[in-house]
Amino acid sequence: GQNIDQPTEMTATEGAIVQINCTYQTSGFNGLFWYQQHAGEAPTFLSYNVLDGLEEKGRFSSFLSRSKGYSYLLLKELQMKDSASYLCAGSGGYNKLIFGAGTRLAVHP
Amino acid sequence: SAVISQKPSRDICQRGTSLTIQCQVDSQVTMMFWYRQQPGQSLTLIATANQGSEATYESGFVIDKFPISRPNLTFSTLTVSNMSPEDSSIYLCSVVGTRSRESTETQYFGPGTRLLVL
Repeated sequence: GQNIDQPTEMTATEGAIVQINCTYQTSGFNGLFWYQQHAGEAPTFLSYNVLDGLEEKGRFSSFLSRSKGYSYLLLKELQMKDSASYLCAGSGGYNKLIFGAGTRLAVHP
Repeated sequence: SAVISQKPSRDICQRGTSLTIQCQVDSQVTMMFWYRQQPGQSLTLIATANQGSEATYESGFVIDKFPISRPNLTFSTLTVSNMSPEDSSIYLCSVVGTRSRESTETQYFGPGTRLLVL
């Protein structure tokens, strides 16, 4: 089956660190993506993990554990502009993406 | 990443009519995808459109309702037929990354078409 779960909403304070978790059960799984989507805009690519471990890219890092069906997106030094929805997506073969429902992150001063 | 444009950016349509959405890419791509994002929800894949073959539809989506054309490697259209208010949504096309340094699976999205059906 293909199922991706992530929290619906999170709040955090400017300058802090936040971790957004994603768990999945996806057959034929090739890799896991994180996208950022601001209200009214298209999703933009943040990260892609195909191997276990942590991928760091500036203020954003993404972690994957294939054996545990678990990923997280770590956002450091939060800024107000980081307020957005964060979408976890599994690659289900043939380049198809299966998206979770998304996590709406609100960053407060 | 490829530059992707969509037309129209938004539209308001009457029930029972059809709307064709265009997706243009600035480079040749093999695989293009069409997604729907209903209000407050995440993205759902409608179909995969490969040039030279029939589109492949996901469960719950049919060709009669969402006919797709893919006449060449830079262009595709999605038609939303016989629309009802339930079709009000954002429709997005996407392509797989085209540069060698990118993952061959990373998808990049067009800006979307916001459709409201009255």
